[in-house]
Amino acid sequence: DGGITQSPKYLFRKEGQNVTLSCEQNLNHDAMYWYRQDPGQGLRLIYYSQIVNDFQKGDIAEGYSVSREKKESFPLTVTSAQKNPTAFYLCASSIAPGANEQYFGPGTRLTVT
Amino acid sequence: AQKVTQAQTEISVVEKEDVTLDCVYETRDTTYYLFWYKQPPSGELVFLIRRNSFDEQNEISGRYSWNFQKSTSSFNFTITASQVVDSAVYFCALSDMTLVILTGTASKLTFGTGTRLQVTL
Repeated sequence: DGGITQSPKYLFRKEGQNVTLSCEQNLNHDAMYWYRQDPGQGLRLIYYSQIVNDFQKGDIAEGYSVSREKKESFPLTVTSAQKNPTAFYLCASSIAPGANEQYFGPGTRLTVT
Repeated sequence: AQKVTQAQTEISVVEKEDVTLDCVYETRDTTYYLFWYKQPPSGELVFLIRRNSFDEQNEISGRYSWNFQKSTSSFNFTITASQVVDSAVYFCALSDMTLVILTGTASKLTFGTGTRLQVTL
């Protein structure tokens, strides 16, 4: 089945630790995105990537880092510099950059204590 | 700057009632796309519809229908004869296209804060 996988579904970390969230897609999509969702708020864009080895900051990139070494994979690292990392993180992809619909993974709920 | 407003935070209806979810947007672009997504309790966003700014024709897909009115900057979503399985959070989103067309960069979606729909028996 084609789709986007994110693992793990739930993640717990201690404050001060970096943590990497996985996102893999087998849709052969060029563009990939990371969003953060907080209770009662819409999704906010963290980073996006149009092609391999390229990525751009979104609206709330501070404290996060990404890489795009393979077309299928777009991992997100939440660093200790992110002041409020507890949130629901959603990865998405679209067939190409542009106004194409984005398809989302199941999300990872990160809790930092 | 783009903005999407979903003023209804929560709506509760009884099954088989019709319900309309409101979406009002702001943009300076003349070329843009509007989207609706559904987020069931599992958390994954499900794409429902995309509409470009030049196409104001209403669309119907089964029990779902969408009313796009540029004059009022609205893109409302109606569920007819609601069912319990419709219970979810629904998001409206906007993507400006001018920068994409000029620079070839990826479009960015601006989401509203969502409307939680609860359908009960």
